[in-house]
Amino acid sequence: DAGVTQSPTHLIKTRGQQVTLRCSPKSGHDTVSWYQQALGQGPQFIFQYYEEEERQRGNFPDRFSGHQFPNYSSELNVNALLLGDSALYLCASSLVGGAGETQYFGPGTRLLVL
Amino acid sequence: GQNIDQPTEMTATEGAIVQINCTYQTSGFNGLFWYQQHAGEAPTFLSYNVLDGLEEKGRFSSFLSRSKGYSYLLLKELQMKDSASYLCAVRGPGGFKTIFGAGTRLFVKA
Repeated sequence: DAGVTQSPTHLIKTRGQQVTLRCSPKSGHDTVSWYQQALGQGPQFIFQYYEEEERQRGNFPDRFSGHQFPNYSSELNVNALLLGDSALYLCASSLVGGAGETQYFGPGTRLLVL
Repeated sequence: GQNIDQPTEMTATEGAIVQINCTYQTSGFNGLFWYQQHAGEAPTFLSYNVLDGLEEKGRFSSFLSRSKGYSYLLLKELQMKDSASYLCAVRGPGGFKTIFGAGTRLFVKA
């Protein structure tokens, strides 16, 4: 049973650049949520995708955008990178109607902005 | 607004029992989750509560009181590998957005 996978595992960018992070959900899941986790903090909700649409969004600027594909995989795009965007980006998948719609996390992408 | 409070750090002894508390304020409630996160790794799911009461799963139990906005995670027979951060999370209004606390770092000593 394939779990949630993310790529790349690590990434280094400079201010002003753009980045795309990728996520494949756990087998059988149809919903993908993205989180940003700064060191020593809990994950912060960015947005959630279901049926290729953004269902809900957290308090993140429009520089953060996403997409979900027909195979349920998802991308997170961040434009005009700032130093403060350095963090661990986590993808979590779940199944609509599943037990508690529990989210299962991928290993994350660690982004460093210089 | 939405807010989740949990202690920053706790220390316990191998073989003992530890209780990690979580209080929350949300404008809507659609379930409470506990996750374990080892340093440098992703959170892993431990438990889910949506109704009041105790849910037991092996060495781990989680309790919820919706009227008090309160939950706890109980870890029994502590092992060194239980040293990790424990995240309390609440699913809020709309049922899609999950808010996480900052986590409680648990240190298990021999």
